[in-house]
Amino acid sequence: SQQGEEDPQALSIQEGENATMNCSYKTSINNLQWYRQNSGRGLVHLILIRSNEREKHSGRLRVTLDTSKKSSSLLITASRAADTASYFCASSGTGGSYIPTFGRGTSLIVHP
Amino acid sequence: EAGVTQFPSHSVIEKGQTVTLRCDPISGHDNLYWYRRVMGKEIKFLLHFVKESKQDESGMPNNRFLAERTGGTYSTLKVQPAELEDSGVYFCASSQDRTEAFFGQGTRLTVV
Repeated sequence: SQQGEEDPQALSIQEGENATMNCSYKTSINNLQWYRQNSGRGLVHLILIRSNEREKHSGRLRVTLDTSKKSSSLLITASRAADTASYFCASSGTGGSYIPTFGRGTSLIVHP
Repeated sequence: EAGVTQFPSHSVIEKGQTVTLRCDPISGHDNLYWYRRVMGKEIKFLLHFVKESKQDESGMPNNRFLAERTGGTYSTLKVQPAELEDSGVYFCASSQDRTEAFFGQGTRLTVV
């Protein structure tokens, strides 16, 4: 089954605004990771949050995890044009469904 | 410690040609995964190795794709013959104990 469904699928904001992306998953997870992909390029690891954590910060990034709702959010504060990219969450499940599974991603456009 | 490395970073080939992508996992990681993202779409799982054995190859699109991991170290993904729709970014990931997967930067494949 598909894990890590992000929403919105596309987000367009102005530089300086905050961007919030959400990710939902279906089964129990061990951890959840957020990645960024600039157009046609490699994956950049942003942050990992474990199932026993509720919030993590890294620079302008804030990730929350709500295991009761099986959801996570990524907040980018004070966005910049350079933040324009696709953002993905990847969940690693427990037991037999371990394989990290990506969602469809959120395409973020930050207008200068 | 070296991360997951992929070669080449970018490959441009003509339709009908053969291309081989390589992934060097983190040393000691038994689990190795291949994924790909076709332009604008989601990141899809291709297959999973445990050491040299294919644990799950349910995501391999067709028999033009062949993955190997001889000796349980690095892995190759060969596309023969390449088609236009194979263009995209191919990602590799490795993990040690199925709790955290580490991704490479990807190989961008362009078939013209």
